[in-house]
Amino acid sequence: QEHLVESGGGVVQPGGSLRLSCAASGFTFNNYGMHWVRQAPGKGLEWVAFTRYDGSNKYYADSVKGRFTISRDNSKNTLYLQMKSLRPEDTAVYYCAKDNFVGWEPAPGFDYWGQGTLVTVSS
Amino acid sequence: DIQLTQSPSFLSASVGDRVTITCRASQDISSYLAWYQQKPGKAPKFLIYGASTLETGVPSRFSGSGSGTEFTLTISSLQAEDFETYYCQQLKTYPVTFGQGTRLEI
Repeated sequence: QEHLVESGGGVVQPGGSLRLSCAASGFTFNNYGMHWVRQAPGKGLEWVAFTRYDGSNKYYADSVKGRFTISRDNSKNTLYLQMKSLRPEDTAVYYCAKDNFVGWEPAPGFDYWGQGTLVTVSS
Repeated sequence: DIQLTQSPSFLSASVGDRVTITCRASQDISSYLAWYQQKPGKAPKFLIYGASTLETGVPSRFSGSGSGTEFTLTISSLQAEDFETYYCQQLKTYPVTFGQGTRLEI
């Protein structure tokens, strides 16, 4: 059974940094592309970033490009999101999500999601 | 970026009703569209991909159709557990984008 667990959220001041983690289990992590998706309080879903199964290709939303870095450690079955220069508008629940198919970019959908971790950017 | 517009944003219905949610794309995305259901405080649940392929385990009362720029999600006979928020998502190209959501209310 696929399982994704995010951690690392918290309260940070504007301009600060935070690193989120997503621990994966129940599937062959190093076969699948992975994503971060966020949801501001009371708002809709916003895709943030993607990393190919081996980390060799990455994409970012314009709203985070140059500030956020997605990475993965396949030896630890863990996905990361390094966030810098945080802004109040980055306040959201951050979800990690898995591609449903191997070898597609983008894949046809995100079939498993973590429970999310809340990031609050506030002074 | 490809914009997705869902209509309506809010939909009132009753148990047993048949409802349809529409998702329009700002450009041709072929059949690269997925649908999700989200309960408050929970992660989205994957329902449909390729515009019309039901994910394993999703009840058959859910169906999707469309291609190009216009898509629909239909629930044939609403159950109490279906009164949630639904999102479409385009996966034709990066950046992947979501519709703004449709809240289905009793």
